Amino acid sequence: NAGVMQNPRHLVRRRGQEARLRCSPMKGHSHVYWYRQLPEEGLKFMVYLQKENIIDESGMPKERFSAEFPKEGPSILRIQQVVRGDSAAYFCASSPTGGDTQYFGPGTRLTVL
Amino acid sequence: GQQLNQSPQSMFIQEGEDVSMNCTSSSIFNTWLWYKQDPGEGPVLLIALYKAGELTSNGRLTAQFGITRKDSFLNISASIPSDVGIYFCAGLIYGNKLVFGAGTILRVKS
Repeated sequence: NAGVMQNPRHLVRRRGQEARLRCSPMKGHSHVYWYRQLPEEGLKFMVYLQKENIIDESGMPKERFSAEFPKEGPSILRIQQVVRGDSAAYFCASSPTGGDTQYFGPGTRLTVL
Repeated sequence: GQQLNQSPQSMFIQEGEDVSMNCTSSSIFNTWLWYKQDPGEGPVLLIALYKAGELTSNGRLTAQFGITRKDSFLNISASIPSDVGIYFCAGLIYGNKLVFGAGTILRVKS
């Protein structure tokens, strides 16, 4: 049973470009969560999605950030017009149900030049 | 908002020693989780605690969920070099989001 998959593992963007981060949950998991980690800090919750629905986006910045989890395919975290402050590691987690233990992917490390 | 205070921030221990770290909060959590993160990787689940007072072991690891549901500790017995990494506690709230502590950096003297 493959774990949570994330790609790319590393992403470099220039200021103003768009970043697209992809996450494929574990098989049988329909709940996906995105977290952001700044250097030497813990992970901070961003958004919680089920298939085709955003359940909780209380941790998402109001502008430039969006997330989706379509019926088919991976979950996408999209950052438009990136700025240097967006540089961080972005982790995706999945669980079989909403209140269950979350399993994390290896992360995407975004660097904004 | 909810915050988890994790201590110590970092520690050096001698190989073979036991180590203990803990997490406290002013909020009640229904589930406590302990994760380990290696450099450049995602957090890996070590132990999950679901009931107040619960004591759970996973090999050399033992964790307890405080009776007040506001704290938890993690013990590692007989440390080995591969125990090096960052250990995070996390509390699950409202069935969806995890709140993480700032982490305990474990360095082992071989």
